Amino acid sequence: DVKVTQSSRYLVKRTGEKVFLECVQDMDHENMFWYRQDPGLGLRLIYFSYDVKMKEKGDIPEGYSVSREKKERFSLILESASTNQTSMYLCASSSLTRASSGNTIYFGEGSWLTVV
Amino acid sequence: AQKVTQAQTEISVVEKEDVTLDCVYETRDTTYYLFWYKQPPSGELVFLIRRNSFDEQNEISGRYSWNFQKSTSSFNFTITASQVVDSAVYFCALSDSKLSFGAGTTVTVRA
Repeated sequence: DVKVTQSSRYLVKRTGEKVFLECVQDMDHENMFWYRQDPGLGLRLIYFSYDVKMKEKGDIPEGYSVSREKKERFSLILESASTNQTSMYLCASSSLTRASSGNTIYFGEGSWLTVV
Repeated sequence: AQKVTQAQTEISVVEKEDVTLDCVYETRDTTYYLFWYKQPPSGELVFLIRRNSFDEQNEISGRYSWNFQKSTSSFNFTITASQVVDSAVYFCALSDSKLSFGAGTTVTVRA
């Protein structure tokens, strides 16, 4: 079975803290994605990566950075957490070589981040 | 501009009723893919169906069916004879230059 694992299910962090959200996939997928999900807005793409050490900005990259040192791992970093970053974060992976394709994207269970 | 629009925010039905979820998309690409995903309360998005832009044949898969109308840029999804386990948030998604999601429709099936 396809597996995308997000290390933390629920986190509570203070404003200004540095936050790491980790994601690991076991399918040898080239592509990995980070989305955030907010009520009424659906899923919005933060960053994605097509290969190791490669990253591209999505629709809402401000306030975030990412790291892809190994193929199976894609980390989302909030350098200085703010309350407007309170959200559900979803990691995903696929075997696509480009975003425009019919291949399925597989999602993790999500990480609920609260910034106080 | 919103690329994928799911006009229905919430739908509530009684078990065994049919549920149709609307999705309208916008793209300038001639080649694209459309998806429906289900997100149960556990949070993980589950892939349901996929259709490419060149295939307008509508199909039925178990209790799921979809109606792809390229002329109206719509990709509607129907659950027949709904069950309580169908309660979830359903997302329509468009893959052209990137993957864009609609805002989601919350479906509640009451016993």
